[in-house]
Amino acid sequence: DAKTTQPNSMESNEEEPVHLPCNHSTISGTDYIHWYRQLPSQGPEYVIHGLTSNVNNRMASLAIAEDRKSSTLILHRATLRDAAVYYCILRDPHYGQNFVFGPGTRLSVLP
Amino acid sequence: NAGVTQTPKFQVLKTGQSMTLQCAQDMNHNSMYWYRQDPGMGLRLIYYSASEGTTDKGEVPNGYNVSRLNKREFSLRLESAAPSQTSVYFCASSGGTSPYIYNEQFFGPGTRLTVL
Repeated sequence: DAKTTQPNSMESNEEEPVHLPCNHSTISGTDYIHWYRQLPSQGPEYVIHGLTSNVNNRMASLAIAEDRKSSTLILHRATLRDAAVYYCILRDPHYGQNFVFGPGTRLSVLP
Repeated sequence: NAGVTQTPKFQVLKTGQSMTLQCAQDMNHNSMYWYRQDPGMGLRLIYYSASEGTTDKGEVPNGYNVSRLNKREFSLRLESAAPSQTSVYFCASSGGTSPYIYNEQFFGPGTRLTVL
């Protein structure tokens, strides 16, 4: 599996946008970029995923660099409930859906 | 819909004891997974089942066995628990007819296991 690199922690103020970066310089052409998050004392939950184009859903936006060597998860207005560990994961669907979760980025949201 | 449920929520074992962690999903998903999460770390895949009747090893299968009892249920067994197996265990499921087409994984609330 291609490796991802994320900052260990980030802070944001409530109601401000948050940009969570992920570097994946060894990404292959068939790797999808997935984001999950884990709220305190809960299992992870799906946030968003994409391959080449930017993606939007009700939770977040995913901006993918043109060379695909990096991506950014964007929370448009952080709330206290968004405080969680965010995981950026690469996976080629031809190898199944067995994710490898790294340590992720711990996001703190300040009121 | 309850989603993915896990029992028990907490368990303390002594070294050498055995136990089975239960997982069930009511979303008619084909694929199910068992992960462990050690303090301050990400999740690591123990075993997965792409469909009823099949199971495969993940990243850290040693010391564990699994059973895909039916489409709904996927259990994880520790035959002889060791302190190194102290962890939080998460079960997950994902849908679709092929495990090679991406489907979102849904996770249970976890079982916190301590082995003394």
